[in-house]
Amino acid sequence: EAQVTQNPRYLITVTGKKLTVTCSQNMNHEYMSWYRQDPGLGLRQIYYSMNVEVTDKGDVPEGYKVSRKEKRNFPLILESPSPNQTSLYFCASTFHGAGELFFGEGSRLTVL
Amino acid sequence: GESVGLHLPTLSVQEGDNSIINCAYSNSASDYFIWYKQESGKGPQFIIDIRSNMDKRQGQRVTVLLNKTVKHLSLQIAATQPGDSAVYFCAEIFTGANSKLTFGKGITLSVRP
Repeated sequence: EAQVTQNPRYLITVTGKKLTVTCSQNMNHEYMSWYRQDPGLGLRQIYYSMNVEVTDKGDVPEGYKVSRKEKRNFPLILESPSPNQTSLYFCASTFHGAGELFFGEGSRLTVL
Repeated sequence: GESVGLHLPTLSVQEGDNSIINCAYSNSASDYFIWYKQESGKGPQFIIDIRSNMDKRQGQRVTVLLNKTVKHLSLQIAATQPGDSAVYFCAEIFTGANSKLTFGKGITLSVRP
């Protein structure tokens, strides 16, 4: 089944404790992206990757890192999480940047 | 996922009626548009798309209309069902160099039984 898989789906952590949210897709998509979704603000892009070893900032990259060492994986790293990073995070992929995005089921992160 | 709908405009319709969800986009150079549906606790899912060389496209129970003159996109859902209750997003995409996808903030559709 074609899908985008995120883990963990739910996480409660404390300020400053590094965490990684993994994202994997099995559709051989070149383009992958991370979004955060907050009430009233919609989906905002954090980082995206056009292909392996190619990543770029989205609209709200501060406090986040990403890597794209393999085509299928695109982890989101929070080196020192803060409460304002409490949000619902979505990973998405598509064949190229201008096509239909396939979304994961979301990862709800709470930073205390 | 239930908190996604907070603070969003809400459209309430009676089951069986037709729904029209509107979206204003910002970039006149955008040439591809998508409607997404997001149910509570889930990620957004593709509903229907349209390219800028068209002004109407129909799917199963859904129709998307594009008015480039006023930069307006609408999604029409025929015979709305309880399962249509969700948050709906439009996305505008510029497919040229440095392609850019921008999401609208979303509208909550609530179907009354």
